[in-house]
Amino acid sequence: GAGVSQSPSNKVTEKGKDVELRCDPISGHTALYWYRQSLGQGLEFLIYFQGNSAPDKSGLPSDRFSAERTGGSVSTLTIQRTQQEDSAVYLCASSLGDRGHGYTFGSGTRLTVV
Amino acid sequence: AQSVTQPDIHITVSEGASLELRCNYSYGATPYLFWYVQSPGQGLQLLLKYFSGDTLVQGIKGFEAEFKRSQSSFNLRKPSVHWSDAAEYFCAVGTSQGTYKYIFGTGTRLKVLA
Repeated sequence: GAGVSQSPSNKVTEKGKDVELRCDPISGHTALYWYRQSLGQGLEFLIYFQGNSAPDKSGLPSDRFSAERTGGSVSTLTIQRTQQEDSAVYLCASSLGDRGHGYTFGSGTRLTVV
Repeated sequence: AQSVTQPDIHITVSEGASLELRCNYSYGATPYLFWYVQSPGQGLQLLLKYFSGDTLVQGIKGFEAEFKRSQSSFNLRKPSVHWSDAAEYFCAVGTSQGTYKYIFGTGTRLKVLA
């Protein structure tokens, strides 16, 4: 596609429920990244996928968080048993996979846990 | 590991005035450096990037940044600010080896007075 597409744009869920956030990267971009942006905070790295390599999961805050990327394209970030502290904007980005190209970000999914 | 510091959380300038946003990084080798802008409710847009060559780089929307190795800085500048520049600005650093992920600063929120 022309840009990075994220869905849904907004999600309100009850504490304890599972949620899935979707990211559709730019066609041809081999790298895909998930970041979390909490109110008043910077961007917190969660996970990234690069081609067929094992993903770098070093930023996932707990085992309630997981992500997969199917067919080297669409990615889903899953949060199980959501907590109020999971409320944030979840940003997805993709890139050509070289270090200096820079990311293209989606508009994010705003998650609110009530 | 690399890190980024944006010392100013908020900056207010008058329209037409010049602007400088500070960014300091920590990394042992030559970094890849980026500035992104985030307008309210939007994802992040790449303004400019540096990884080699001329230390003064030009970006979109009339922004420029200068890489100063001796000061570990990559400050963003604009000679004359427009009201539409009001947004949050993020500096990011990537590495020349190892992980492909970028580390982002906590951001500087710019307010423009008419």
